[in-house]
Amino acid sequence: AQKVTQAQTEISVVEKEDVTLDCVYETRDTTYYLFWYKQPPSGELVFLIRRNSFDEQNEISGRYSWNFQKSTSSFNFTITASQVVDSAVYFCALSENPSNTGKLIFGQGTTLQVKP
Amino acid sequence: DVKVTQSSRYLVKRTGEKVFLECVQDMDHENMFWYRQDPGLGLRLIYFSYDVKMKEKGDIPEGYSVSREKKERFSLILESASTNQTSMYLCASSSPALARSSYEQYFGPGTRLTVT
Repeated sequence: AQKVTQAQTEISVVEKEDVTLDCVYETRDTTYYLFWYKQPPSGELVFLIRRNSFDEQNEISGRYSWNFQKSTSSFNFTITASQVVDSAVYFCALSENPSNTGKLIFGQGTTLQVKP
Repeated sequence: DVKVTQSSRYLVKRTGEKVFLECVQDMDHENMFWYRQDPGLGLRLIYFSYDVKMKEKGDIPEGYSVSREKKERFSLILESASTNQTSMYLCASSSPALARSSYEQYFGPGTRLTVT
């Protein structure tokens, strides 16, 4: 069975601290996609990144970076020098395969609070 | 700019009422999804549709039905609202699984439904 686990329910940091959000997934598929979404207080989920299972290169986008390790089935997300605007719920997701319907399996979400 | 809109941000209904939640996307996406979001449970899939008039049950379809008469519109129906259906409802859409932006889902702002 496919599953996504975000063990951290809530994280609280002070502005400018670095923070890592953990994501562990389970799948038997060899081809799959992993995602991170951000849900700010306004409620709308915002797409952050998609990785496919054949690309294990880490990615950096500004203060955001992602570490994909197939050996440990993890896709962790790090925010460097956190800011108050980073406060949100963050979801990790896994594509359901085989499927032509584009279904995603979401983790439970991690609530990040960045205090000034 | 891609857009998924939902008919209401906040809705209050009485137990037993029939409730319609509407979702419209302007990206010509084949796939559309309805989720509910509850604290600690992440996003749970209620129903999805991969084509006009086509629908499939998700993980928690009980008490819900859907309608997709046009490609851009996907409606969620609560036949007889109950208090345990008080939740945040999120609509999303995506391209087919084989498309370039495979599996990336675009979300609406959500409808917070309260059933009293």
